[in-house]
Amino acid sequence: SAVISQKPSRDICQRGTSLTIQCQVDSQVTMMFWYRQQPGQSLTLIATANQGSEATYESGFVIDKFPISRPNLTFSTLTVSNMSPEDSSIYLCSVLGIFGTEAFFGQGTRLTVV
Amino acid sequence: AQSVTQLGSHVSVSEGALVLLRCNYSSSVPPYLFWYVQYPNQGLQLLLKYTSAATLVKGINGFEAEFKKSETSFHLTKPSAHMSDAAEYFCAVSQNNAGNMLTFGGGTRLMVKP
Repeated sequence: SAVISQKPSRDICQRGTSLTIQCQVDSQVTMMFWYRQQPGQSLTLIATANQGSEATYESGFVIDKFPISRPNLTFSTLTVSNMSPEDSSIYLCSVLGIFGTEAFFGQGTRLTVV
Repeated sequence: AQSVTQLGSHVSVSEGALVLLRCNYSSSVPPYLFWYVQYPNQGLQLLLKYTSAATLVKGINGFEAEFKKSETSFHLTKPSAHMSDAAEYFCAVSQNNAGNMLTFGGGTRLMVKP
């Protein structure tokens, strides 16, 4: 299995500011993903983080709002830019293990925008 | 295109009673189906997955699910609920057996009464 560490675990931010969330995995993984879980709702895939190239975004999500980096096989960041209260959510990092048999999830970052 | 519907956003059972959480899916290709559990302030943990082998899938913590193609269902059951089963449960569908790029249902919060 893969152990995923997300930082910060929670934060309260002012509107108009940006927050960068880090995802560190304890082993090399093939694929990394970012999900959003809005209050009382299910998870929605934001994007696939690609190593050394631009992330692949799902419909409704854009790079200017959610820039993503993945400099190596074990680390990725998601930035929530120019935040508004509507961005208040839990953001989760997910990885596909090296054998490609299971997806693992971090504990999430609980973001509140005031 | 694929989608998942979980009937019942909240389910309450008594300790020792049968747990039944409903999940129906739609998919244009043979689906891979997953059940995840999310405990408070934690990430998602895989309970079980269907990958076109046996239609009755056994998972962790005594849970199991049966894939019924004719009903496009993948309901999760446990014969006897335990207090520690109280959590949020998510059904998800993917086009591959690893569980990346998942489409999640709305989630069902299971409450267990003493």
